Amino acid sequence: DGGITQSPKYLFRKEGQNVTLSCEQNLNHDAMYWYRQDPGQGLRLIYYSQIVNDFQKGDIAEGYSVSREKKESFPLTVTSAQKNPTAFYLCASSIVGRLSGANVLTFGAGSRLTVL
Amino acid sequence: GQQVMQIPQYQHVQEGEDFTTYCNSSTTLSNIQWYKQRPGGHPVFLIQLVKSGEVKKQKRLTFQFGEAKKNSSLHITATQTTDVGTYFCAGGFNNDMRFGAGTRLTVKP
Repeated sequence: DGGITQSPKYLFRKEGQNVTLSCEQNLNHDAMYWYRQDPGQGLRLIYYSQIVNDFQKGDIAEGYSVSREKKESFPLTVTSAQKNPTAFYLCASSIVGRLSGANVLTFGAGSRLTVL
Repeated sequence: GQQVMQIPQYQHVQEGEDFTTYCNSSTTLSNIQWYKQRPGGHPVFLIQLVKSGEVKKQKRLTFQFGEAKKNSSLHITATQTTDVGTYFCAGGFNNDMRFGAGTRLTVKP
């Protein structure tokens, strides 16, 4: 079955450490996204990538970095510069490579990061 | 900036009662999508509305897109315990998409 796999599901980090969240998709989708979800704030876009080797900042990119070396993979690194990293992180993908309301997003199961 | 406002933030109903969540934008939307996130889960796409005044139904769920394409609603008739979760709208703009904050629905059996 096609889908998006995120790992790890749960992650604990000490302050000052960088962590990388994995996102892999086998849907052959061009575009991939990272969202952050906090209670009562909906989904906020961190980064998105429309094609391989290209990515764009979203609304809250500070303290995060990404890479898109392969179509299937879009890892997110939460750096020590991110002041409040505890959150639920969702990876998503869509068929077409443009951030638009016309794109239907398929989400992974998410990664819950807690900073101790 | 472009924003989509969604109300209410929370809604608690007795099983069998109806439920409605609303989304509003200050600017015209190209389309709107609705997603459902079960507790502990991830958002799952429900439907997309594109045309002005469009109404779509999925069993007990009715989705509407306003005539001015600035607002939308999701109405659930006779809620069931399986309807619990958070419902998000996502407003589409020409080169952007914005999620509402979501409405968390709880249903008392």
